Parts: sequence; C-alpha cells; structure tokens
Amino acid sequence: DSGVTQTPKHLITATGQRVTLRCSPRSGDLSVYWYQQSLDQGLQFLIHYYNGEERAKGNILERFSAQQFPDLHSELNLSSLELGDSALYFCASSVEGLSDTQYFGPGTRLTVL
Amino acid sequence: GEDVEQSLFLSVREGDSSVINCTYTDSSSTYLYWYKQEPGAGLQLLTYIFSNMDMKQDQRLTVLLNKKDKHLSLRIADTQTGDSAIYFCAELDRGSTLGRLYFGRGTQLTVWP
Repeated sequence: DSGVTQTPKHLITATGQRVTLRCSPRSGDLSVYWYQQSLDQGLQFLIHYYNGEERAKGNILERFSAQQFPDLHSELNLSSLELGDSALYFCASSVEGLSDTQYFGPGTRLTVL
Repeated sequence: GEDVEQSLFLSVREGDSSVINCTYTDSSSTYLYWYKQEPGAGLQLLTYIFSNMDMKQDQRLTVLLNKKDKHLSLRIADTQTGDSAIYFCAELDRGSTLGRLYFGRGTQLTVWP
C-alpha cells in the first residue's frame, strides 16, 4: 500500500457526460500528479500540482481540468467524455515535486460507453 | 526525455534470472525508476537510480546503468512466479516539466513454473 488513495475504483458513464476523480496524497506530501494509462498511448503525464498551485502541464486535453485543495487532496475533472477517454487514471504524490520519488495510487478505471 | 524504450515481452523459467532492458534519451543528470504493475493494480515502486551511478543492488534486484549508451537494465535474481507482472522504466524530467515522469511502454514478464 503506497498511502495514496483514489476514488472511485471504477466509473462507468456515457459519452458527453462529466466525471470527477479524487485523489488523496500520502501524509506529508505536497505534490500531486495525474497520469493516464491507455492501451494505445501507454502511461502519459497529465498535470502536476504543488501545494495548491499548478506546476507543470503535460498532454492534458482542454476538456480536462484539475485542482488541488488546501487540504492537499486533488480532483481531476473530465467533461464532454468521449469513447477514447476510457482509460486507467493514476494519481501519484511526492514530498516536494522536484526530484523526489513519486508513489502511485491504485487508479480509477474509467469506462465511457 | 520523451523516448523511453523497452522490449514488450520476456519469458523466463522459475529460478532463472530475468533481465529487463530500457533505453532513455535525456542527456542531463536525472533519476531513473523501475515500477511494477500487477493485473488490476497500481504502479509499485521497485527501485531507482541517479544517473551518476553505475549500479544499485536491493535484495534480488540489481539495476545497471550505462550512461554512455543511455541504457538501463533491471535484473531480478531467482525469479519467482509472483514476479510475473508488467515492469515499467521511467525517466524523470528535470527540465521544463520538472517532476514529470516519462514511461516506457512496459515489459510483460511471464515466469513459467
């Protein structure tokens, strides 16, 4: 158990809908990262937050947004969902977000029908 | 740091050693990681190495780094059936998207009894 929690574990929804994925980092970690794992793209970095502020952005679609709250938990919002958004979404956390090790949560499996 | 390459499949017999290979592209100093993913599970950190090191050993795991060729390997001694999983090599971006991990596509290790 990495200490990173993600909810829900599974999510099934329809095209055009909006969902929110939640992540709680390990105790004491200030950085949260979101990654998407799909069969065709592999593991792709989406976005990184440090202590409530966006630090780096990767291959994140405009339909997707994220935020990190004062209690350091983070949410990833996915809207206008398409079939191709079906994937496993991982959250990771680290102490600072510079060169320190990232610990991954169990992931949320999103299925868009 | 965008091109992290791994072979996709490796099969070994129980008790043999497994060697999983990875190549990366970043020429600056960085951290390189090995993660393990079991079916339906998240990413478990196995070990990591800084790019100024040649080798790191941790129980059954040995990481070798050839900086000149940008080649990283993970050797698992006395491989067990419980080691069957997908192994990901990852490179940490210490540039413009600091903190971002670039992942290879993963090597599916199958251990035969």
